[in-house]
Amino acid sequence: DADVTQTPRNRITKTGKRIMLECSQTKGHDRMYWYRQDPGLGLRLIYYSFDVKDINKGEISDGYSVSRQAQAKFSLSLESAIPNQTALYFCATSDLTGTHEQFFGPGTRLTVL
Amino acid sequence: EDKVVQSPLSLVVHEGDTVTLNCSYEVTNFRSLLWYKQEKKAPTFLFMLTSSGIEKKSGRLSSILDKKELSSILNITATQTGDSAIYLCAVEESYGKLTFGQGTILTVHP
Repeated sequence: DADVTQTPRNRITKTGKRIMLECSQTKGHDRMYWYRQDPGLGLRLIYYSFDVKDINKGEISDGYSVSRQAQAKFSLSLESAIPNQTALYFCATSDLTGTHEQFFGPGTRLTVL
Repeated sequence: EDKVVQSPLSLVVHEGDTVTLNCSYEVTNFRSLLWYKQEKKAPTFLFMLTSSGIEKKSGRLSSILDKKELSSILNITATQTGDSAIYLCAVEESYGKLTFGQGTILTVHP
C-alpha cells in the first residue's frame, strides 16, 4: 500500500468551480506539504503544515487554501479555479526528526478549462 | 529571496556517456541539499548532502556539496536509458522547508 495517497489522480474542471484535492499518509509524519509543478519551473511550495494546528503559506499561496484535519490528512482547496491553476499537484510528508527527506504522493493532474 | 538554480535545463546523451548536473543555491538558513529523480510520477529521493566535500555514492550515481561555492553536482556514469528523467535539486532550510530548482531533463538515447 502507498504511504502517501492523493485523490483524485486526475480532474478536469471549469473556471470558477471549487475544487478540493485530498492527501492522506500512513507514515506517521508530522509535516505535510502541497506543491505544484509546471514545466520548466520545478516544484513550487503552496502551503505546508508542521502539525495539526500549524498552517504556513509557501511561495505561491494566492488562490489556494488548506486544511489539516488530522495528522494524516492535508487537503488543498481552490475556491474559484482559474486556467493558470492547471498543473500537476503533489502532496509530500516528512518526519520531524532524522533526514527531513520528503516523501511524495503520486500527484494529481488538474486541468481548469 | 531564496533561489535554487539548476543547469543545464536539458541534456541529451547516448548510453555509456557520463553526465554532470549542476545545482547552485542562495538560501538564508541552509540545512541540507537533496537530489530527487522524477520519472513519469512522483519524485524519488536520491541523496541528501549536509557536509562539504563528502561524496555520496549509489551505484553509478554520485553527488558532492561545495558549501563555499554554494553548489552541488550530481554525476551519472555509464548512463542507461533508464536514467532518463527529470533530476531535481532542492535545498532545505533549517526549519524544514524545501526550495526546488527548475530541474534538469536528462534524455539518454540507446
